[in-house]
Amino acid sequence: DAMVIQNPRYQVTQFGKPVTLSCSQTLNHNVMYWYQQKSSQAPKLLFHYYDKDFNNEADTPDNFQSRRPNTSFCFLDIRSPGLGDAAMYLCATSRDQLDGQFFGPGTRLTVL
Amino acid sequence: AQSVTQLDSQVPVFEEAPVELRCNYSSSVSVYLFWYVQYPNQGLQLLLKYLSGSTLVESINGFEAEFNKSQTSFHLRKPSVHISDTAEYFCAVSDQRTGKLIFGQGTTLQVKP
Repeated sequence: DAMVIQNPRYQVTQFGKPVTLSCSQTLNHNVMYWYQQKSSQAPKLLFHYYDKDFNNEADTPDNFQSRRPNTSFCFLDIRSPGLGDAAMYLCATSRDQLDGQFFGPGTRLTVL
Repeated sequence: AQSVTQLDSQVPVFEEAPVELRCNYSSSVSVYLFWYVQYPNQGLQLLLKYLSGSTLVESINGFEAEFNKSQTSFHLRKPSVHISDTAEYFCAVSDQRTGKLIFGQGTTLQVKP
């Protein structure tokens, strides 16, 4: 089945220790998104790629970076995680910017 | 700019009762409308969407939503809920130009036996 895969499902890191979250998709969608979702809140868009074009949200902290080496994979790098970065990180894809988005299961990040 | 308001943060309901989850949006441009469902510790699943055409849209598991342009609403309804419908429900709008989703704060549907 075509799907969006996120690894790992649970990630524990230490304060200030860089961490990378992974997303892959078999849908061959052009657009990939990264969201941050804190407890009992709506998902908040961090950035998205339309093909190779990177689009950063204005309020996304510089601590968050992303890479998309090919159509299938997208990575979220948190350079120096703080306690406030503990959250569920959701990856999503869509065929184009006007299509509905398909979400992965998420990676829950804990910062100690 | 767009915004989405989900009027109820929690909706408790007994099994087999009808339910309505309310969603209102604000936008100066044309939008697409979506409902997503999120089960605990999982990602969001697309429940249904309105892009154009008939204002009443249905999902495969009995939910339906009606787009009302004059009231800027997209309420979600189900005539008879099951325990398995217990989840968080998010209403979202998508700017037709950029495709970016703006989510409401979510409504927790709690179905009691």
